[in-house]
Amino acid sequence: QKEVEQNSGPLSVPEGAIASLNCTYSDRVSQSFFWYRQYSGKSPELIMSIYSNGDKEDGRFTAQLNKASQYVSLLIRDSQPSDSATYLCAARRDSSYKLIFGSGTRLLVRP
Amino acid sequence: DGGITQSPKYLFRKEGQNVTLSCEQNLNHDAMYWYRQDPGQGLRLIYYSQIVNDFQKGDIAEGYSVSREKKESFPLTVTSAQKNPTAFYLCASSIRDRGRTEAFFGQGTRLTVV
Repeated sequence: QKEVEQNSGPLSVPEGAIASLNCTYSDRVSQSFFWYRQYSGKSPELIMSIYSNGDKEDGRFTAQLNKASQYVSLLIRDSQPSDSATYLCAARRDSSYKLIFGSGTRLLVRP
Repeated sequence: DGGITQSPKYLFRKEGQNVTLSCEQNLNHDAMYWYRQDPGQGLRLIYYSQIVNDFQKGDIAEGYSVSREKKESFPLTVTSAQKNPTAFYLCASSIRDRGRTEAFFGQGTRLTVV
């Protein structure tokens, strides 16, 4: 089992809808999780971090962490065409500073 | 402006050559990382460093070497032993605090073997 897994997509949603991106993780990663957005040909940019069980909201973005089920999700409300990108889930491995990434989910927002 | 600077943006290497990718940060971060990204793939960890003069191998360290002589700098050398070096290379840094460990990325170096 990979330490951080994501569905590669693409996930296609109409403009204005809620996009839901999911990530599952193994026992080898710690409880620090991050969502990055990466536009084609560019470097990843941090959107959200979440460290404790539950929801964390920042503008149109909500990160959700469910430790019992070992998944973390990112909801994007009122999706815009400019949200079209690849979304990378990342986690710390155990208690180290290794930051491990999933393979990313490509999101397409249709105008 | 604080940030992470990678250079060059594009780099071409001939077969059998070693090349060095530069990564400099002025964020006063202790931890620094190098990742490799292949087309349509996620990021794979090459090396990381938590403090000066110390670094650890990541998942794909073979054919690469690093040094960490200064807090601000973490150069990556792609050696001739790396059989398929064409990729997008990303450097990142973070503070060394288990409670707040967001990592931030430079703009990347695109390496092509010619």
